[in-house]
Amino acid sequence: QVQLVQSGAEVKKPGASVKVSCKASGYTFTDYYIYWLRQAPGQGLEWMGWINPKSRGTHSPLKFQGRVTMTRDTSIDTAYMELSRLTSDDTGIYFCATVLRGDNWNPAGAFDLWGQGTVVTVSS
Amino acid sequence: DIQMTQLPSTLSASVGDRVTITCRTSQSISTSLAWYRQRPGKAPKLLIYEASTLETGVPSRFSGTGSGREFTLTISGLQPDDSAIYYCQYYDRSPYTFGQGTKLEI
Repeated sequence: QVQLVQSGAEVKKPGASVKVSCKASGYTFTDYYIYWLRQAPGQGLEWMGWINPKSRGTHSPLKFQGRVTMTRDTSIDTAYMELSRLTSDDTGIYFCATVLRGDNWNPAGAFDLWGQGTVVTVSS
Repeated sequence: DIQMTQLPSTLSASVGDRVTITCRTSQSISTSLAWYRQRPGKAPKLLIYEASTLETGVPSRFSGTGSGREFTLTISGLQPDDSAIYYCQYYDRSPYTFGQGTKLEI
């Protein structure tokens, strides 16, 4: 079964870091980019970055550069997203996604497979 | 960065109706546009990509048109479970941006 399964909910204090995992199954993990997105309560979707599981290359928008770290472990087909220096504005649902219609050299594409989401709450 | 303007923000319709959602971009994006449906508490689901190509398994009641800067998602024969938030997304070059969403109430 082709799927992305994310880690469970997290509660963090301001200033801390959170690390979310995304385990892929049913397809070749290194053949497709993994993307990270988030959604604040009652708000829209925001793309946070991507990682190429084959090359380890990463890219994120300016807003998150210096604060987001994306890694992967190909031995267990799992991608990770760590967000540091958390504030209450980081509270929300974090998703991983991929483009199975794509490839591992061009990150462009519509997200056709999503994880179930991980709720992250930042509160003192 | 490409800015996305999605209209309307909310839409109320009845079972069997046809509705249209519009997405306008700040620059021409050819057809690099996707539409997603998101039900409460769930991950988004891809409906349409390349502006008009139906994702596998999505009913033909959903259709997409447009190119350049203006795009539409049309849903015909509305069903009760079409109640959701619909998002457009630009995906060709970073940053990949989403519209603000349209909440459809049946």
